[in-house]
Amino acid sequence: EAGVAQSPRYKIIEKRQSVAFWCNPISGHATLYWYQQILGQGPKLLIQFQNNGVVDDSQLPKDRFSAERLKGVDSTLKIQPAKLEDSAVYLCASSLVQGGTEAFFGQGTRLTVV
Amino acid sequence: TQLLEQSPQFLSIQEGENLTVYCNSSSVFSSLQWYRQEPGEGPVLLVTVVTGGEVKKLKRLTFQFGDARKDSSLHITAAQPGDTGLYLCAGERGTYKYIFGTGTRLKVLA
Repeated sequence: EAGVAQSPRYKIIEKRQSVAFWCNPISGHATLYWYQQILGQGPKLLIQFQNNGVVDDSQLPKDRFSAERLKGVDSTLKIQPAKLEDSAVYLCASSLVQGGTEAFFGQGTRLTVV
Repeated sequence: TQLLEQSPQFLSIQEGENLTVYCNSSSVFSSLQWYRQEPGEGPVLLVTVVTGGEVKKLKRLTFQFGDARKDSSLHITAAQPGDTGLYLCAGERGTYKYIFGTGTRLKVLA
């Protein structure tokens, strides 16, 4: 079974530029998560989708971050404009259903903002 | 605000030693998960505990959920270099949202 695919693996951009990350979840998984993991810390949930609807985006900085999950499968996370403090690993995860089940994580995209 | 505090933050031990990692909160969780994350990879689920007081064993790893479902511990017996990694607890709150802890970075020396 193929895992969660993310691209790119690494990205370096200058502050104030824009960047987009892509995630392809495990086939059939209805729930998709985007997490931000700053070096040395635990992941912080940015947004959670159930199919193509947003369940929770309370910690998404909406003035600069946006995410969509068209057709309830792939998802993109965009940052515009990027700030230095956005440097982190962005993890995508998916699970079959919500709650109490295993979330499978991708390898993440390491973003460096200079 | 970090709801789940893990301790210790860093731990370096010799192969064969035992260790315990703690995950504490003032909030109640409906379930709690433990993950291990290796460099350059995403977290991988080790266990899910649901019932207060529940104890689960996975080979040399023992997981316990506190009676009040506010805290948890992970005990590793006879640690091996392959146990090296970042250990993360994640508590489930209300609407199927998992909140991750601050993490414990473990290094086991051969």
